[in-house]
Amino acid sequence: DVKVTQSSRYLVKRTGEKVFLECVQDMDHENMFWYRQDPGLGLRLIYFSYDVKMKEKGDIPEGYSVSREKKERFSLILESASTNQTSMYLCASSHPPQKTEAFFGQGTRLTVV
Amino acid sequence: SQELEQSPQSLIVQEGKNLTINCTSSKTLYGLYWYKQKYGEGLIFLMMLQKGGEEKSHEKITAKLDEKKQQSSLHITASQPSHAGIYLCGADDSGGYQKVTFGTGTKLQVIP
Repeated sequence: DVKVTQSSRYLVKRTGEKVFLECVQDMDHENMFWYRQDPGLGLRLIYFSYDVKMKEKGDIPEGYSVSREKKERFSLILESASTNQTSMYLCASSHPPQKTEAFFGQGTRLTVV
Repeated sequence: SQELEQSPQSLIVQEGKNLTINCTSSKTLYGLYWYKQKYGEGLIFLMMLQKGGEEKSHEKITAKLDEKKQQSSLHITASQPSHAGIYLCGADDSGGYQKVTFGTGTKLQVIP
């Protein structure tokens, strides 16, 4: 069974903390994505990666960075967490040559206080 | 990136009724995806449409993409409580990277 696993379901952090959200996929997918989901705004793409050590900005990259040192792992980093980064974060992966769907993790609900 | 508009934003239907959710794009779509999300969880893939005029069905859910590839509809026949959730359409406008832009979602409640 294919799987995208996010390290935490729920996370509470303080303003100014450095936060790491981890995502691991076991499908040998080239593409990996980080989205955030907010009421009324839907899913918005933060960053994506189409290969190891490669990254591309999505629609809302400000305040975030990413790291992809291994094919199966894609990390989202909040350098200095702020309250407006309280959100649901979703990781996804896909395999471009097949042009099939992206597989999503279960999500991490991050609260910054 | 392109914008996707979904309508309605929310929907409450009685069990057994049919319903339709629409998704409209500002640009021609390379690929159109439909996902379902249970509250607080990840997205589950439903269907992908790529060709103008294409129609796909799975169980009681049918999705269509119009000829111009700018509008899609998701139709649920004889709705059940298990159909409740948030339905999201997503469009691949990257032509290869599968960088998907999503609509804001339609929240469906099915009343027994």
